[in-house]
Amino acid sequence: KAGVTQTPRYLIKTRGQQVTLSCSPISGHRSVSWYQQTPGQGLQFLFEYFSETQRNKGNFPGRFSGRQFSNSRSEMNVSTLELGDSALYLCASGLAGSQETQYFGPGTRLLVL
Amino acid sequence: DAKTTQPTSMDCAEGRAANLPCNHSTISGNEYVYWYRQIHSQGPQYIIHGLKNNETNEMASLIITEDRKSSTLILPHATLRDTAVYYCIVRGYNNNDMRFGAGTRLTVKP
Repeated sequence: KAGVTQTPRYLIKTRGQQVTLSCSPISGHRSVSWYQQTPGQGLQFLFEYFSETQRNKGNFPGRFSGRQFSNSRSEMNVSTLELGDSALYLCASGLAGSQETQYFGPGTRLLVL
Repeated sequence: DAKTTQPTSMDCAEGRAANLPCNHSTISGNEYVYWYRQIHSQGPQYIIHGLKNNETNEMASLIITEDRKSSTLILPHATLRDTAVYYCIVRGYNNNDMRFGAGTRLTVKP
């Protein structure tokens, strides 16, 4: 079974731009969570989607948003990029239940110049 | 904030068992202990999880103390490819918000 895939793998943007990252979960998984990883803050939870609805949200500004499609694929968007948004963005997918194990994708490395 | 405490770093000789401790003294009765590892800034890899019984799979064993305030991840025969940052996470029953701490950087040496 194919794992979680994320596109693109690498991205360079400039301040003020916006970016959209994509995550395709493992087949059959309906939960998708997003995390941001930076050297200073470590791995931080952004939000979780289940059945096209945001089920849980971390402590990030409104510039960070996401959505999930009917096929469970998810996108996250960051508007008005700041230098501090440079990070590895990871998504993880799980089965329906909230206690199901989550499996991570390889991440998208975003550099904001 | 992470609900776990782990040593910052550990070394282990290749072929020996690696024992990684984790303290989670505020764990609640319905919270699970999960272990992930991350190699070279790849996505974290799931290793094992448990509630109160010891668990074993093809990758590792998880030993949880009777009071559930701490646990130990055991890699029985560490290899160089096990060099990674290991995260111990306490996860609520109805919560996919996993709070990662700084983890333990395990270095397996020849």
